[in-house]
Amino acid sequence: QSVLTQPPSVSAAPGQRVTISCSGSSSNIGDNYVSWYQQLSGTAPRLLIYDNNKRPSEIPDRISGSKSGTSATLGITGLQAGDEGDYYCGTWDRSLSVWVFGGGTKLTVL
Amino acid sequence: EVQLVQSGAEVKKPGESLRISCKASGYSFANYWIGWVRQMPGKGLEWMGIIYPGDPDTRYSPSFQGQVTISADKAIATAYLQWSSLKASDSAIYYCTRQRSYILGGRHSYHYENWGQGTLVTVSS
Repeated sequence: QSVLTQPPSVSAAPGQRVTISCSGSSSNIGDNYVSWYQQLSGTAPRLLIYDNNKRPSEIPDRISGSKSGTSATLGITGLQAGDEGDYYCGTWDRSLSVWVFGGGTKLTVL
Repeated sequence: EVQLVQSGAEVKKPGESLRISCKASGYSFANYWIGWVRQMPGKGLEWMGIIYPGDPDTRYSPSFQGQVTISADKAIATAYLQWSSLKASDSAIYYCTRQRSYILGGRHSYHYENWGQGTLVTVSS
């Protein structure tokens, strides 16, 4: 059971928009920056978003991140078949003194 | 270009020892934390711990403290994850990952920017 809660799955049609939530507490999301990672089938995780809402240069601007209080959200617009995979939020937890990942959300493009 | 290249898949028996590696290139190895992440079959990502090769300072998740040893050799820019006595429950994919950390807006910021390709460890009698 992760300290960061994500929905197990989300789905949407190609071209549509989807959001993935990540809920935590004052000792993790509420107090630290959030990052998001994409893991396509059979591959290593890849950084999508860091510092709540910044994108590495190679990540397209249809990917976005936001944070409010103790929750964070990943948004993907213009869904493509290649976006199918698992998505994880992560942050530092100062009470546990560990990095924590959310349980992961499986994105299905219908 | 930053690269983390991990050692190949391993098949071991319970009770055996194992050390897997993560060879870094394209940056100053001693000056960045390297973390290890476990992914059990069909499951999510679990943070195991990190090491700062320049010190080397090492931090472990309580879940993995005493179960594994993280080390690094800065002379050859390589980090290691080691078990002294494997269990079947150690079967998983293990990823190394480079941590970026800095001060932003008066707070520490951390994220994992680069990842190795993963090492599959299978422990079976």
